[in-house]
Amino acid sequence: SQKIEQNSEALNIQEGKTATLTCNYTNYSPAYLQWYRQDPGRGPVFLLLIRENEKEKRKERLKVTFDTTLKQSLFHITASQPADSATYLCARSPQDNFNKFYFGSGTKLNVKP
Amino acid sequence: NAGVMQNPRHLVRRRGQEARLRCSPMKGHSHVYWYRQLPEEGLKFMVYLQKENIIDESGMPKERFSAEFPKEGPSILRIQQVVRGDSAAYFCASSRGEGDEAFFGQGTRLTVV
Repeated sequence: SQKIEQNSEALNIQEGKTATLTCNYTNYSPAYLQWYRQDPGRGPVFLLLIRENEKEKRKERLKVTFDTTLKQSLFHITASQPADSATYLCARSPQDNFNKFYFGSGTKLNVKP
Repeated sequence: NAGVMQNPRHLVRRRGQEARLRCSPMKGHSHVYWYRQLPEEGLKFMVYLQKENIIDESGMPKERFSAEFPKEGPSILRIQQVVRGDSAAYFCASSRGEGDEAFFGQGTRLTVV
């Protein structure tokens, strides 16, 4: 089966540091990898998308990398702030159905002031 | 432009009753996706619909669950004869087209007692 895995342990970092979250996938390389943020009691909010032929994408303080050799995507938040505390979800989707996501279980990020 | 609207936000049903979850997509969006999030788990794809058509229902349980997206009105996810294991958060997402970004609603939290 095609799994997508995220570290289930919470990541605790100090304000101002860079947070790095990991998403690993097995078997085949997904056409798209997307990162979402989810706050308690809320729906996921889209952050960044990276395609299989891209190595890196940036948006303000966010950066996503995609390493098809390691079968891994890394999600970075630079100059982290307490407001960045949330659960971050990685999702893959196939070429033929862009919004049919297979989500990881998410990694909770705690940014301490 | 209001976001994806789901109602009710919270729904309590007794075992054996029916649950009806509604999703109004964003204006101009004709693609709707339903996801289920069990406690401490990631979101799982259930069904993808376009107006009056079910495109992909590979994630729907074979019994008791059905979905529709009529020409007029919201998309409905219907769960008949609910059981305790149906307790979860149900999220709807919509997109303008198949390759466009999907926006999630706030979810409906179903509790079966």
